[in-house]
Amino acid sequence: GEDVEQSLFLSVREGDSSVINCTYTDSSSTYLYWYKQEPGAGLQLLTYIFSNMDMKQDQRLTVLLNKKDKHLSLRIADTQTGDSAIYFCAETPEGPYSGAGSYQLTFGKGTKLSVIP
Amino acid sequence: DGGITQSPKYLFRKEGQNVTLSCEQNLNHDAMYWYRQDPGQGLRLIYYSQIVNDFQKGDIAEGYSVSREKKESFPLTVTSAQKNPTAFYLCASNFLGHNEQFFGPGTRLTVL
Repeated sequence: GEDVEQSLFLSVREGDSSVINCTYTDSSSTYLYWYKQEPGAGLQLLTYIFSNMDMKQDQRLTVLLNKKDKHLSLRIADTQTGDSAIYFCAETPEGPYSGAGSYQLTFGKGTKLSVIP
Repeated sequence: DGGITQSPKYLFRKEGQNVTLSCEQNLNHDAMYWYRQDPGQGLRLIYYSQIVNDFQKGDIAEGYSVSREKKESFPLTVTSAQKNPTAFYLCASNFLGHNEQFFGPGTRLTVL
């Protein structure tokens, strides 16, 4: 079955860049997502990328996709203490009508980002 | 305000009791989902529903039940058959044809 892998912890100093990495196994993944979860809260969609894109930038966030290696990364520029959270990588398969379960998101276990003041 | 609400935020249950978690959305989303989150784990899908009066099992449906009588509501019942129910439960929803899922704030269930 599909699998999404992330390292569990990352620690950076305030003002530095953070890079959170994710690998996935499903070659039919079409949409790849980054979600942020603050303590005791639900998940907030940060950004997503289509599989036909290599890069997407949104203010301090840059998503890079290497489809050949099935590797996704999220770079946060000028990391702030408010960025401390768990970041989840997730993917869904090809197309919105690919059959039963086509709307299921497969999540990684999450990377806990700690920002040191 | 448009959004997804879950209640209660914290819930305590004695072993052997069924308990129902509420999820409501006023976004007019078609599909709704229930996930379970355990410490250090990703989210695992329990049930999902794409239309009213229809729902499908996810990866870990055993010990849970759902209903979808109204488009805006998707309650989850944790039954006594669920062997390890203590977890953080998250509800999500989206429009059909749009894969971005939006999440509620979650309910933390503790079995005493």
